[in-house]
Amino acid sequence: ETGVTQSPTHLIKTRGQQVTLRCSSQSGHNTVSWYQQALGQGPQFIFQYYREEENGRGNFPPRFSGLQFPNYSSELNVNALELDDSALYLCASSTTSSGNTIYFGEGSWLTVV
Amino acid sequence: AQSVTQLDSQVPVFEEAPVELRCNYSSSVSVYLFWYVQYPNQGLQLLLKYLSGSTLVKGINGFEAEFNKSQTSFHLRKPSVHISDTAEYFCAVSAGNTPLVFGKGTRLSVIA
Repeated sequence: ETGVTQSPTHLIKTRGQQVTLRCSSQSGHNTVSWYQQALGQGPQFIFQYYREEENGRGNFPPRFSGLQFPNYSSELNVNALELDDSALYLCASSTTSSGNTIYFGEGSWLTVV
Repeated sequence: AQSVTQLDSQVPVFEEAPVELRCNYSSSVSVYLFWYVQYPNQGLQLLLKYLSGSTLVKGINGFEAEFNKSQTSFHLRKPSVHISDTAEYFCAVSAGNTPLVFGKGTRLSVIA
């Protein structure tokens, strides 16, 4: 149990639609990051938020966007869904006092049809 | 930039036998190293981490890993595996405040 919770756990969307995934970080953790894990692959970094500001981004197009709220919870939004967006989306939280360790949630499984 | 290579995509091993999962990394700066485990249909759980100090790191569930700077390796070992160790194992690297970079994973299958 890492204290990081994600919702929904599973969802199915149609190509072209938009999706919002949510994450509640571990108590006291002010940094949240999102990763995409395609089937059979390792997680890939999407972006990171620190105190409500994006402070790092991986190689993902602008249709992947996010928010972090004052309570450090976060959202990942994906517009114009494509079939290749089907993946497990992992949220992770950390803080400078967590020893450079990040803690992952159980993930949200997104299927785009 | 950092990169991680997990040398084996699948490792089958008999129950109670020892196992080693291999991980090599590439980086031009000092790094932090991690092993995560992912059970079927679940998220990632931290097994162990190397930040500094002793190169032999002990983690949960009887796993340990050794950081070898000259060989740029961070291999994961367990002296005796159980059926419950069947899972996907990911090696990851970061350089301080940079995001984690993961390998493609090694699927450990423990055979009764």
